[in-house]
Amino acid sequence: NAGVTQTPKFQVLKTGQSMTLQCAQDMNHEYMSWYRQDPGMGLRLIHYSVGAGITDQGEVPNGYNVSRSTTEDFPLRLLSAAPSQTSVYFCASSYSGVGGSGNTIYFGEGSWLTVV
Amino acid sequence: AQSVTQLDSQVPVFEEAPVELRCNYSSSVSVYLFWYVQYPNQGLQLLLKYLSGSTLVKGINGFEAEFNKSQTSFHLRKPSVHISDTAEYFCAVSDPSGATNKLIFGTGTLLAVQP
Repeated sequence: NAGVTQTPKFQVLKTGQSMTLQCAQDMNHEYMSWYRQDPGMGLRLIHYSVGAGITDQGEVPNGYNVSRSTTEDFPLRLLSAAPSQTSVYFCASSYSGVGGSGNTIYFGEGSWLTVV
Repeated sequence: AQSVTQLDSQVPVFEEAPVELRCNYSSSVSVYLFWYVQYPNQGLQLLLKYLSGSTLVKGINGFEAEFNKSQTSFHLRKPSVHISDTAEYFCAVSDPSGATNKLIFGTGTLLAVQP
C-alpha cells in the first residue's frame, strides 16, 4: 500500500516557469489537500478537494491552481513561478474530510521546490 | 476563525527527562485537536487526536495530551524522552461541524533531545 505519493521530490525552477506537482493516493480517500511548509510558519493550506470535481481555496491559494478529475489524483500547478514559492510542499488525504468526523490526514513525503 | 499557537519554537531537553510541548487554540466553536510529528526530511504522521470524551488522550510512542477547555489548551507530554523523539511537533485544529473542511496547523515546536 503506497499511501500518498508525491512527485517530483526535488525541483529547481526559474522565475516565470510553470510546473505541476503530482499527488496520487491509493486509499480511496475523498479528501485531498496541498500544504506548503516554510520555516517558522508551520504548514499553510493552499487548496483542498472534498471529492472529484470539487476544489476550494485554503489560506494561501494565490499563484497556484488545482483540479480533481479523479479520486486518486490531485495535481498542484504553479502558473508562473516566483522566488516566494520556494518551499516544501506536502500533499495529504483523508477518508472524508477533516471537519465533522475528525478523520486522520495522511501526508506524502514532500516535494522540495526552489525558484531561482 | 480558528487558530493555533505554539509558543515554543524549540524545546531542548536531556534524554530520559520529561517534556511538555504547549499548544493553545482559539475558536468560537467546539474543536477537534491533533498533534502531528515530523521526523527529518519526512512527511507528518499523527501522534494523537482529541475528538470528544476523556480529556486525556494517549497516542503513539508514549505521548499523551490533555484537552483543557477552560484554558483552551492541548499540551503534549511525555514522561521520559529518547533521542529518537527528536523531531518537529505540530498542533492542529479543525471544526467538528464540517462548516470549514480545513485542518489548521500551528507553527511547530522543534524538540531537541540531547544525550
